[in-house]
Amino acid sequence: DTEVTQTPKHLVMGMTNKKSLKCEQHMGHRAMYWYKQKAKKPPELMFVYSYEKLSINESVPSRFSPECPNSSLLNLHLHALQPEDSALYLCASSQFPPGGSNYGYTFGSGTRLTVV
Amino acid sequence: DQQVKQNSPSLSVQEGRISILNCDYTNSMFDYFLWYKKYPAEGPTFLISISSIKDKNEDGRFTVFLNKSAKHLSLHIVPSQPGDSAVYFCAASAEGGGSNYNLTFGIGTLLTVNP
Repeated sequence: DTEVTQTPKHLVMGMTNKKSLKCEQHMGHRAMYWYKQKAKKPPELMFVYSYEKLSINESVPSRFSPECPNSSLLNLHLHALQPEDSALYLCASSQFPPGGSNYGYTFGSGTRLTVV
Repeated sequence: DQQVKQNSPSLSVQEGRISILNCDYTNSMFDYFLWYKKYPAEGPTFLISISSIKDKNEDGRFTVFLNKSAKHLSLHIVPSQPGDSAVYFCAASAEGGGSNYNLTFGIGTLLTVNP
């Protein structure tokens, strides 16, 4: 299995809702990432987990709450989002530490989130 | 301030010709560079990478060139095919070791290969 699976593919939520984005990989990767990408912008790093521990939080607002229940799963819990949070949320995984010919992320297809 | 810059938002090339996508970076700590390809409604797909100890890496039709003194890299696709039409992201990492493993992406270049 060489894929990163993200669900749902599309999500519309109100500003008072609570929802979760899910990401799963079975490549034995020990680093997992959440990126946010807005239209015509590059992907921007939100969180990094290495060995199921949060290692990087790029000053993301607390309305985004990541969780890594095990080495294959990564969740992003959403609560009280704003319309400007509408974006494509990308999950990725990689070997950790990186190196060799497999240096690089494997991305999921993303969740297109719309906050209304 | 963008540390990885792709100054051409789009590029159009005839099938069979060479496509050259450019990328500049400002952070001298970057020591690993990658190119990703992204189709609409899909996540980016890893294409090719290069370490700062090299100046060229080739994989089939794809070659990446790195000019460290100019802080510039380029991706060459020869020959270009219509299926290569996608957004290409340049990315860089300051490997350094430890937990500081994250990629900084450029804004992307939309490549269109015309039949």
